[in-house]
Amino acid sequence: ETGVTQTPRHLVMGMTNKKSLKCEQHLGHNAMYWYKQSAKKPLELMFVYSLEERVENNSVPSRFSPECPNSSHLFLHLHTLQPEDSALYLCASSQVGQDPGANVLTFGAGSRLTVL
Amino acid sequence: LAKTTQPISMDSYEGQEVNITCSHNNIATNDYITWYQQFPSQGPRFIIQGYKTKVTNEVASLFIPADRKSSTLSLPRVSLSDTAVYYCLVGKYGGATNKLIFGTGTLLAVQP
Repeated sequence: ETGVTQTPRHLVMGMTNKKSLKCEQHLGHNAMYWYKQSAKKPLELMFVYSLEERVENNSVPSRFSPECPNSSHLFLHLHTLQPEDSALYLCASSQVGQDPGANVLTFGAGSRLTVL
Repeated sequence: LAKTTQPISMDSYEGQEVNITCSHNNIATNDYITWYQQFPSQGPRFIIQGYKTKVTNEVASLFIPADRKSSTLSLPRVSLSDTAVYYCLVGKYGGATNKLIFGTGTLLAVQP
């Protein structure tokens, strides 16, 4: 596999369920990201794991919990979600520290989440 | 973080050249300008990146004036498949963390 792979592509869950989204990158990058994209809204940065440092968007509710066991894998654990959490969740990776150039993000195809 | 401003939408016809301008008045010295393209229900895809003057690749050109407070993405001879949302991002290279923030983007609609 190449690029950034996200599973599952589609997920339907109830508000009391616990599920996880998985992301794997095969690019040798050292940073991974979770973005949320709701209908007709800009992409919202949720979490960043970069060089073993984690950066959070403080507006993200605690019912979203990220995990990054190594530089190639990223998870987003979901529990007691609300219907307004229904969105496209996008994983991305980049190579931090390359010179020259800014971090170019490579995105996965996304996981479409529906919370009933 | 440098904030970006783009038109919300643009219309064009097949075969025309399309120019999308992005304003980033508080761009920092070590910030680069990057453009992405996004189709519905897909992740954004890198198009082009630049620091100053002009950059060209097989897909697009990026024009950056000397003051770097704006940039223009130029798509030559667009086709229907170029209908998408185009995002301009400004961010610095290197560093331990890089919070890459997307704005609202520009929805380009190409008509026959």
